Amino acid sequence: ILNVEQSPQSLHVQEGDSTNFTCSFPSSNFYALHWYRWETAKSPEALFVMTLNGDEKKKGRISATLNTKEGYSYLYIKGSQPEDSATYLCAFRQGAQKLVFGQGTRLTINP
Amino acid sequence: DVKVTQSSRYLVKRTGEKVFLECVQDMDHENMFWYRQDPGLGLRLIYFSYDVKMKEKGDIPEGYSVSREKKERFSLILESASTNQTSMYLCASSLWSGRVSNEQFFGPGTRLTVL
Repeated sequence: ILNVEQSPQSLHVQEGDSTNFTCSFPSSNFYALHWYRWETAKSPEALFVMTLNGDEKKKGRISATLNTKEGYSYLYIKGSQPEDSATYLCAFRQGAQKLVFGQGTRLTINP
Repeated sequence: DVKVTQSSRYLVKRTGEKVFLECVQDMDHENMFWYRQDPGLGLRLIYFSYDVKMKEKGDIPEGYSVSREKKERFSLILESASTNQTSMYLCASSLWSGRVSNEQFFGPGTRLTVL
């Protein structure tokens, strides 16, 4: 079983502050790296799919970077808002069809 | 919009009962997946299916079976529920990937409690 690690496991951030967290994955046999946001009582929804070393993706105040050679991805949130409170999951594509998920980073934004 | 629905949001069953969790997707996706989510462990793959009547074991298939008789429907079966199967169960679907970047679309989850 491949190991995908996310850190930290939980994070409390003051509204308006910026934050970031990490996803580490195997650096060999890389297909793609996915980020999902999972809000309480909702379905996980895709944020980014990253495929190339050096990829940077952005959606509003959220951005992500990818380093496939060293096996990590960072997710950044600029100017955190209460609606950013969620669990953020990264997933490493193992082969063409399956994803291997990290344990998630649970983000809480304090007003 | 892709829609993945699961038959129940909450379910309470007794040890030894046979439990069926149903998942339906409306986007003609070839792949369907069943995961369970437990605190501190993230999503773990139980089974997936890439075509009707086809299935493959995931990382934790013990105690579970699946059925895919129609393309849109993927069922997870707990033959004899046990307390250690108390968990959140998530279904997902995706297109068959010749495309590396295809994403999975998730249902809202079923929180199963086995007493």
